[in-house]
Amino acid sequence: GIQVEQSPPDLILQEGANSTLRCNFSDSVNNLQWFHQNPWGQLINLFYIPSGTKQNGRLSATTVATERYSLLYISSSQTTDSGVYFCAVESDRYSSASKIIFGSGTRLSIRP
Amino acid sequence: DTGVSQNPRHKITKRGQNVTFRCDPISEHNRLYWYRQTLGQGPEFLTYFQNEAQLEKSRLLSDRFSAERPKGSFSTLEIQRTEQGDSAMYLCASSPRDRGTYEQYFGPGTRLTVT
Repeated sequence: GIQVEQSPPDLILQEGANSTLRCNFSDSVNNLQWFHQNPWGQLINLFYIPSGTKQNGRLSATTVATERYSLLYISSSQTTDSGVYFCAVESDRYSSASKIIFGSGTRLSIRP
Repeated sequence: DTGVSQNPRHKITKRGQNVTFRCDPISEHNRLYWYRQTLGQGPEFLTYFQNEAQLEKSRLLSDRFSAERPKGSFSTLEIQRTEQGDSAMYLCASSPRDRGTYEQYFGPGTRLTVT
C-alpha cells in the first residue's frame, strides 16, 4: 500500500515563530488533506489540497503531486496552534486498508 | 448543519461485552468512514460507505466488528466480545461527492475503554 511519512515528528517553538511541516507519500494520490488534532482529540480540517497551493490566514499549504510531497506552513505561531498535525492521503490504486492512509503526525508545541 | 456527531462520547465496558457506536454524518454527505485511533498514532481506516453500500473494509475489521448504514444516513459500528486491545478512539467522518473530491469532515469520536 501507499506509505506516508511526516517530518519532523516533534517540533517545539516559541510563540511568533514560523514553521514548515512536511508530508511525503510513495505513490500518486487523488486526495490529500491536512488536519489539526486538538488536545481534546477533534480532527479539524485545515486544507484539502491534492495539488497546488492554498492559503488560509496564517496557514498555507503546497502539494507538488509529481514529486509526491506536501508542505504545511504556519506563520507567526500562537499557543493555540499546539497539537498534532496529520497529513492524510487517498489513492484509488489500492483497496481496503491501503486506500486511505494517515501519516504518523507532527506534534507541535508552541511556548509562550 | 452542526457537523458530524458521534454517540456516546465515552464508553467503558468489560471484556467480553458487546458495544455499539452511532455516527450521524453531515446531511447530504453520501460517504461515511470509520477509523480507529490509538494513543500516539494516526487514525487507521476501518471501512467506508457510499450511501448504504459498504464499499471497502480493512483487514483491521475483524469478524467481531460490523458496521451498517441502513438508510444511507446514520451509521452504527458494533464490536462483539470486546477485548482489551479494542480500547481506542473510534472516529467517524463524512464527505460529499463534489466533482470527484472527497474532503472528509470528522466527528468528535467515541473513546472506548475495555477493562
